Amino acid sequence: QKEVEQDPGPLSVPEGAIVSLNCTYSNSAFQYFMWYRQYSRKGPELLMYTYSSGNKEDGRFTAQVDKSSKYISLFIRDSQPSDSATYLCAMSPRRGSNYKLTFGKGTLLTVNP
Amino acid sequence: KAGVTQTPRYLIKTRGQQVTLSCSPISGHRSVSWYQQTPGQGLQFLFEYFSETQRNKGNFPGRFSGRQFSNSRSEMNVSTLELGDSALYLCASSIGTEYEQYFGPGTRLTVT
Repeated sequence: QKEVEQDPGPLSVPEGAIVSLNCTYSNSAFQYFMWYRQYSRKGPELLMYTYSSGNKEDGRFTAQVDKSSKYISLFIRDSQPSDSATYLCAMSPRRGSNYKLTFGKGTLLTVNP
Repeated sequence: KAGVTQTPRYLIKTRGQQVTLSCSPISGHRSVSWYQQTPGQGLQFLFEYFSETQRNKGNFPGRFSGRQFSNSRSEMNVSTLELGDSALYLCASSIGTEYEQYFGPGTRLTVT
């Protein structure tokens, strides 16, 4: 079983839709959870990070972590064509060093105008 | 503030050759990490350098190596290239905290 599983999609939604992106993981040691967005031919950019369980909101983006289920989600409200990209989840057991971030393989999202 | 830069952006090499990729981190960032991204395996951590010292290493063979210079610029080297080394190689820099990594655009390596 892979440490981090992420549905690769592709996911296609109309503009304005609410998008839900998800990852599951198997390593109970993971404490820090991140979401990156990667546009075509670009490097990933950090969107959100959370520590342990709970929700975090930033504008149209909400990140949720459920450690009991080993499940994390990213919600995008009022999706825009500019949100079309690959979304990668990443996680790590501790903070304080760039210690072996483990990434999901990414979900390709297309938002249609 | 300038972002992370990587050179070259594209590279084509032949099996058996070696290659060196370069990364210039954001000014003031002392930590540089390298990742390999492929469609099959996704993003995989190669190694991390901080203040010229390798601090962490992923599960890659010894053909993959790196170094960091006193100005925090980093290079990674792959010797005896194999077809499976074709990938996007990404460099990320940070001040030192693991969740604030800033990625460069990557170097697309094709091995023929």
